[in-house]
Amino acid sequence: DVKVTQSSRYLVKRTGEKVFLECVQDMDHENMFWYRQDPGLGLRLIYFSYDVKMKEKGDIPEGYSVSREKKERFSLILESASTNQTSMYLCASGHRVTSPLHFGNGTRLTVT
Amino acid sequence: AQKITQTQPGMFVQEKEAVTLDCTYDTSDPSYGLFWYKQPSSGEMIFLIYQGSYDQQNATEGRYSLNFQKARKSANLVISASQLGDSAMYFCAMRGNYGGSQGNLIFGKGTKLSVKP
Repeated sequence: DVKVTQSSRYLVKRTGEKVFLECVQDMDHENMFWYRQDPGLGLRLIYFSYDVKMKEKGDIPEGYSVSREKKERFSLILESASTNQTSMYLCASGHRVTSPLHFGNGTRLTVT
Repeated sequence: AQKITQTQPGMFVQEKEAVTLDCTYDTSDPSYGLFWYKQPSSGEMIFLIYQGSYDQQNATEGRYSLNFQKARKSANLVISASQLGDSAMYFCAMRGNYGGSQGNLIFGKGTKLSVKP
């Protein structure tokens, strides 16, 4: 079975802190994605990556950056956390564009 | 533009009965994948079933089946013999190569299914 692991299930951070969300997949997938999910707004794409060291902006990249130094790992970085970044963050990975994406368990981030 | 529409914000079903969750989609791409995901209250997004745009047969996975009507652009999920553990949000999603997006998933707004004992 495909396994996508997010490092933290729950996270509480203070405004202004630098926050790292880690995601690791074990299926040698080329494509990896970071989404955030908010009530009433659905899932929105933050960043995606289609290869090591490659990254592309999604729909809402402001306030975020990403890193993909190894194929299996895709990190989301909140440079200076703000309260409006309180959300559920979901990492996903997949092969070719018409195959399923597999998600991690999600990280509920609270910024106070 | 690609779009997924789920018109049922909430649904109730009696335990052991079948239920159909509606999904319509819009795309001009000839090659795409259609998916259903389940999200329980714990938050994880669980992949249920997949239908490719060129697949001739409707997809089935255990109690889940996908009623794919390409001409109508619909991809309804049928859950047979509902169980209490099926209570969750269900999302219909589509994936294709939209302008080099490497297959970003386009999600519908979801349907909240509640199974009554």
